[in-house]
Amino acid sequence: DGGITQSPKYLFRKEGQNVTLSCEQNLNHDAMYWYRQDPGQGLRLIYYSQIVNDFQKGDIAEGYSVSREKKESFPLTVTSAQKNPTAFYLCASSTQVNVWNEQFFGPGTRLTVL
Amino acid sequence: AQKVTQAQTEISVVEKEDVTLDCVYETRDTTYYLFWYKQPPSGELVFLIRRNSFDEQNEISGRYSWNFQKSTSSFNFTITASQVVDSAVYFCALGFSPLNKAAGNKLTFGGGTRVLVKP
Repeated sequence: DGGITQSPKYLFRKEGQNVTLSCEQNLNHDAMYWYRQDPGQGLRLIYYSQIVNDFQKGDIAEGYSVSREKKESFPLTVTSAQKNPTAFYLCASSTQVNVWNEQFFGPGTRLTVL
Repeated sequence: AQKVTQAQTEISVVEKEDVTLDCVYETRDTTYYLFWYKQPPSGELVFLIRRNSFDEQNEISGRYSWNFQKSTSSFNFTITASQVVDSAVYFCALGFSPLNKAAGNKLTFGGGTRVLVKP
């Protein structure tokens, strides 16, 4: 079945460590996105990529990094520079940047910093 | 700048009651899109509806209905005869105009409204 997979579902990290969250899609979508969700709040855009080998900062990119070497993959690294990384992270994808279509979301990764 | 406001943080109803979720948006674009998503306890967002700014017709899909009023910048969502399975967080989102290529398909989300349907 086509969809978006995120791994792991739960992730624990010690302070000062970098950690990478995986996002893979087999929908053949051009665009991919990373959002952060804090308890009781909406989604905030971290990074997005409209095409392979290209990505742009979203509203809260500080302390995060991404890569887009393959169309189906858009990993997110939470670096030690991110002051408050504990949150729920959602990956999404959508087709054709210049034609409005809904974003499809993965199941999310819950990151906890110990 | 774009902004979406969902003033109701939580709504609690008894099964079979109707519930209306408010969404007010701000944008300078004359062409834009609005979305509603459902986030059940599992966490994954589920797409419910997309509406473009040129189409102000109300829409009904089963027990769900949407009221888009451009004059008041609102896109409200009603669940009729609510069921326990409707318990979730519901998000309203606003997208840039398709003409704004630099913006891509970025969405601005509201803070969400948690709906609790009690049996």
